[in-house]
Amino acid sequence: DSGVTQTPKHLITATGQRVTLRCSPRSGDLSVYWYQQSLDQGLQFLIQYYNGEERAKGNILERFSAQQFPDLHSELNLSSLELGDSALYFCASSVGSGDTEAFFGQGTRLTVV
Amino acid sequence: AQTVTQSQPEMSVQEAETVTLSCTYDTSENNYYLFWYKQPPSRQMILVIRQEAYKQQNATENRFSVNFQKAAKSFSLKISDSQLGDTAMYFCAFTESGYALNFGKGTSLLVTP
Repeated sequence: DSGVTQTPKHLITATGQRVTLRCSPRSGDLSVYWYQQSLDQGLQFLIQYYNGEERAKGNILERFSAQQFPDLHSELNLSSLELGDSALYFCASSVGSGDTEAFFGQGTRLTVV
Repeated sequence: AQTVTQSQPEMSVQEAETVTLSCTYDTSENNYYLFWYKQPPSRQMILVIRQEAYKQQNATENRFSVNFQKAAKSFSLKISDSQLGDTAMYFCAFTESGYALNFGKGTSLLVTP
């Protein structure tokens, strides 16, 4: 158990809908990262938050957004969902912003039908 | 742009044997960090081993060791005394800043009895 908790584990939704994925980092970790794992794109970095502020952005679509709350949990919002958004979404956390070791949650499997 | 290449999509090894997974990367930076992550069927991303580019000594963690060739930009993972529990997808990853990880496409390793 990495100490990073993601909910829900599985999510099935229809095209055009909006979903929210939740991540609770390890106790004491200030950084949260979101990654997308799909068959065609592999593992891609989406976005990073550090202590409530956006720190880095990767290949995140405009339909996607994220935030980190004062209690340090983070949410990834995916809207106007398309079939191609079906993927495994990982959250990872680390103590600092530039730490080289991040701990991953078990992921949320999103299926868009 | 940072790229990570894993040229072996699939590999197979017998129990107790040794196997080496290849990874090459591209960067113009001098200081960076390299990782191998394991993803078993449970989907959990597990850090196997980490290497700092400024350290010439190859990292070792029990049965796992790396061969880091900085000039060649090569970072291979050797698994000794392979066990059935080593069956998983293995990802090579790279970061310059200590922020987001750039992952390779992965190598699926099957350990057979």
